[in-house]
Amino acid sequence: DAGVIQSPRHEVTEMGQEVTLRCKPISGHDYLFWYRQTMMRGLELLIYFNNNVPIDDSGMPEDRFSAKMPNASFSTLKIQPSEPRDSAVYFCASSLGRKFSTDTQYFGPGTRLTVL
Amino acid sequence: AQSVTQLDSHVSVSEGTPVLLRCNYSSSYSPSLFWYVQHPNKGLQLLLKYTSAATLVKGINGFEAEFKKSETSFHLTKPSAHMSDAAEYFCVVSDRGSHTNAGKSTFGDGTTLTVKP
Repeated sequence: DAGVIQSPRHEVTEMGQEVTLRCKPISGHDYLFWYRQTMMRGLELLIYFNNNVPIDDSGMPEDRFSAKMPNASFSTLKIQPSEPRDSAVYFCASSLGRKFSTDTQYFGPGTRLTVL
Repeated sequence: AQSVTQLDSHVSVSEGTPVLLRCNYSSSYSPSLFWYVQHPNKGLQLLLKYTSAATLVKGINGFEAEFKKSETSFHLTKPSAHMSDAAEYFCVVSDRGSHTNAGKSTFGDGTTLTVKP
């Protein structure tokens, strides 16, 4: 298996622009997670899905952030409009989820976002 | 509710000496506990996990951790550090049996391990 795939790996954009990050989870995994990692705040869970349905989006910082999972093999995280404080590494992870919290999360390589 | 505290933000050891990374947790239910490692500019990788079986858990690359319920701890150890162990390590807790938090984990702030030659 190719593991969790994220694209792009690096994104540089200007303030005010729309940014879309993409994730393909491991086939057969029921859970998908979006995280953000910064030096100041560490690793933060933004949102997670179970069987394509958002379960908890309490970590999404504000309305500028949105996430979708139209099918089991694809998810997007969108920021519109982007701001410099959104600069971070965004990780996608997936897990089997059949035993809820005992399952290992498999992380993608991350997308490094820089907003100028 | 669940929480995790990594007691050291930075740990520095010499190559060939033991490694100890400390983690304390809080959980309203029986917890599952994980250690992940993140090498520079990489994603997180599972080192080991505890899910209610043996309290001493062995992971990859010679790491192990012991679940101590009485101390609410899950410290990560390795007998002899290698230069390639230099990375950031995350302790993670997840409540088993909590349907409201099904699938959700709480990550510690991370411990940066430096290995000196």
